[in-house]
Formats: sequence, structure tokens, C-alpha cells
Amino acid sequence: GESVGLHLPTLSVQEGDNSIINCAYSNSASDYFIWYKQESGKGPQFIIDIRSNMDKRQGQRVTVLLNKTVKHLSLQIAATQPGDSAVYFCAAPGASGGSYIPTFGRGTSLIVHP
Amino acid sequence: GAGVSQSPSNKVTEKGKDVELRCDPISGHTALYWYRQSLGQGLEFLIYFQGNSAPDKSGLPSDRFSAERTGGSVSTLTIQRTQQEDSAVYLCASSPPGRGPESANEKLFFGSGTQLSVL
Repeated sequence: GESVGLHLPTLSVQEGDNSIINCAYSNSASDYFIWYKQESGKGPQFIIDIRSNMDKRQGQRVTVLLNKTVKHLSLQIAATQPGDSAVYFCAAPGASGGSYIPTFGRGTSLIVHP
Repeated sequence: GAGVSQSPSNKVTEKGKDVELRCDPISGHTALYWYRQSLGQGLEFLIYFQGNSAPDKSGLPSDRFSAERTGGSVSTLTIQRTQQEDSAVYLCASSPPGRGPESANEKLFFGSGTQLSVL
């Protein structure tokens, strides 16, 4: 399966700052990555994804960067708001008998101070 | 409802008792996953159902854990003889049909989970 990890368990930022959350993966064959956001008391929610044929993908206030050379991806949140406070997970499918079972990292807790 | 529904939202049980956790996936979603999330930890894969195929049970931690999916829809996760280390949030997710990079199969839609506390 995929081994997915995160560099920092907690990230504290001031409202309005940009946030960067990092993630490393081990399987060089991984071709699809997803970022999820989990608010307190809720299940993870899809934010943005990226395929391995891309280096960058932008959404609304979020950008995901993929560096296949070092097997690293990051989630950038522009103008961070208190509502962005949550745990963020990166996920990569881990082929298991032909099925796609996403493997999740431990998560980074983003704390946004007003 | 439009999303994945899990019940109960909270379950407190005594050590040694059996518990059943229920998941109603999004209508039309053929894939269903169970994950476990301990406090401050990531998501630990438990079991995966895809259509009529045999489930992938490779993540079940012991034979006390089992799951079934009836009629390709509702799923029940059963934990027998619960232990304190079983305390966690149990998350269910579903995803729409398709397989491979060009499908939405890998994009999971999660329920809010069942918080299980074993005393």
C-alpha cells in the first residue's frame, strides 16, 4: 500500500496569511492525489485533487503543487480564514488487488487565529 | 438525504459487548469503505466493498471485526467482544461507479462517523 505522511502535525497562522501544508508519499507509481479537509465532528470533505501528469492545480483560494521528483505535494491556502481551521489530509490510492483504496496520512491541524 | 448517513452518531458500550454500526451510502454509489480514526490520528482503512465483488477485508484488525453490505447499499460494521482499544471514530465513505484515473472512484464522500467509546 501507499505510505503517506505529513511533515508538521500542527500549523498556526494569522487570519489573512497564506498557509502551506506539506505531504510526502513513497510510491512513485501513485498517479492521483487528493486533499481532504476535516472539521471537528465531521467526516473528511474533498477539497482538490491532482493527477500525476500535472505539477499544479488551482481551485478557489487553494492550490496543490506536485513534485514527482521528490514525491512531495503541498496544499496552499491563500488569505486563510478562521473557517479554514480544520485537519487536512492528503490521500493517495494504494492499489490492493486491483481496487483503489486511498491511504491517508496522519493529518495536519491548521489553526487560524483571528 | 443527499449524503452518507451513519448511525448512531455516538455509541457507549461496556467492554466485552458487541456493537453494530450502520452506514447508508449515497444512492448509486457502488463503492463503500469503512475507516477508523483514533484520537489525533489519521484514517486507518478497515474494509472495502465494490459492487458485487468480494470485499477487501485486508484492513480488519482482528476476527472480532466484520462487515456486510446488503443489496449493494446499506452496510453494517460489527465489532464483537469490544475492547477499550476499539474506542475511535468509525467513518464510512462511498464513491460513485468507475475505476481508474479517469473515473471519480477515488474521490470519497464521507459520513460524519460514529464515535465509539468502550468503557
